[in-house]
Amino acid sequence: GENVEQHPSTLSVQEGDSAVIKCTYSDSASNYFPWYKQELGKRPQLIIDIRSNVGEKKDQRIAVTLNKTAKHFSLHITETQPEDSAVYFCAANNDMRFGAGTRLTVKP
Amino acid sequence: GAVVSQHPSWVICKSGTSVKIECRSLDFQATTMFWYRQFPKQSLMLMATSNEGSKATYEQGVEKDKFLINHASLTLSTLTVTSAHPEDSSFYICSASTGDWSYEQYFGPGTRLTVT
Repeated sequence: GENVEQHPSTLSVQEGDSAVIKCTYSDSASNYFPWYKQELGKRPQLIIDIRSNVGEKKDQRIAVTLNKTAKHFSLHITETQPEDSAVYFCAANNDMRFGAGTRLTVKP
Repeated sequence: GAVVSQHPSWVICKSGTSVKIECRSLDFQATTMFWYRQFPKQSLMLMATSNEGSKATYEQGVEKDKFLINHASLTLSTLTVTSAHPEDSSFYICSASTGDWSYEQYFGPGTRLTVT
């Protein structure tokens, strides 16, 4: 299978700012796109997901947008807080792969 | 919510021995379980997909004879690392799903394997 590409690998923002992480996928048949948050030493936790029949989904400070034509999707975190600091992984189901991860640091 | 457990949480073994890791879905039936390994500061690398009652599907480059996977019931999958070597030292995480990869995966807490 092909890899899901994720950018950036590291991201540092000031508390209160927004953070955006982007992923691209290769298989146009993919129809499920989850985002996971992994804190140091802990298991990945699903934070939001989107299916291909929807272009955007929002849950409080977190949103995901999907562009099927371009085969990319993005995670948006607004009003970031120090507890948002973690590694975030995207995935696309038909590619059966996780992105390389983005280490987000929110500075107080 | 759905809970997945893994046992043991950490294990140290000598080179050449075999180690078995269990993954259990505690409050739901897992049609599919996935096994990953994760090196420090790296992403989750899918090793294999296991469906209850059938043989596991291994990813390219993963030795099926070295990493034996058994999914004997809808709540239990096991990964056995046979003839372990130091390079097998890693963090192994399982996940369970009520369907295929299009469904949410619930991750176990992981098992840290150290081979000396």
